[in-house]
Amino acid sequence: KNEVEQSPQNLTAQEGEFITINCSYSVGISALHWLQQHPGGGIVSLFMLSSGKKKHGRLIATINIQEKHSSLHITASHPRDSAVYICAVGNQFYFGTGTSLTVIP
Amino acid sequence: DTEVTQTPKHLVMGMTNKKSLKCEQHMGHRAMYWYKQKAKKPPELMFVYSYEKLSINESVPSRFSPECPNSSLLNLHLHALQPEDSALYLCASSQGLKGTGGSIYEQYFGPGTRLTVT
Repeated sequence: KNEVEQSPQNLTAQEGEFITINCSYSVGISALHWLQQHPGGGIVSLFMLSSGKKKHGRLIATINIQEKHSSLHITASHPRDSAVYICAVGNQFYFGTGTSLTVIP
Repeated sequence: DTEVTQTPKHLVMGMTNKKSLKCEQHMGHRAMYWYKQKAKKPPELMFVYSYEKLSINESVPSRFSPECPNSSLLNLHLHALQPEDSALYLCASSQGLKGTGGSIYEQYFGPGTRLTVT
């Protein structure tokens, strides 16, 4: 059983749409990480959060520790947002299965 | 400097070859990680070093041998690999490890080495 589940697995959106990616986990955690991976491999850390909400530009991440659930929102999506978004939890970084996002112009 | 560098970017090796992957960071981080990533899958943790000591080995075959010669450098020595070992190998670093409850330290990832075993 995977400790971290993400949904949806694949997402296609029109430019400008509001996007939500969900992450549910089963392990106890101190913090959850959202990562972005572009084709070609490089992984960038977007957020690390342990409670509430964080915002960075058009990206918003929320977490509910009691419900063991986090969401990543992208407002006014753009083709350059196309990437795989991964949530990760735990000391040893249990990774979710990733959400592949494609934003069409 | 918030960069983790990895060399080489690409590596093709035969099953009898010995090669090494290198990872370097100058952020003063004391935890460093090796991950393996197959196509369309999330990264899988292989090894974690904390203060230059091996902290976690996720049951990785002995044909992969990690080494942390100093706090800035992490190597992965490869020997007698199999074609199924072909993957993207990612290195990451963080300020440290948290003992329980999950990592509160952000991980910084290198660009990866794309390894092909022929």
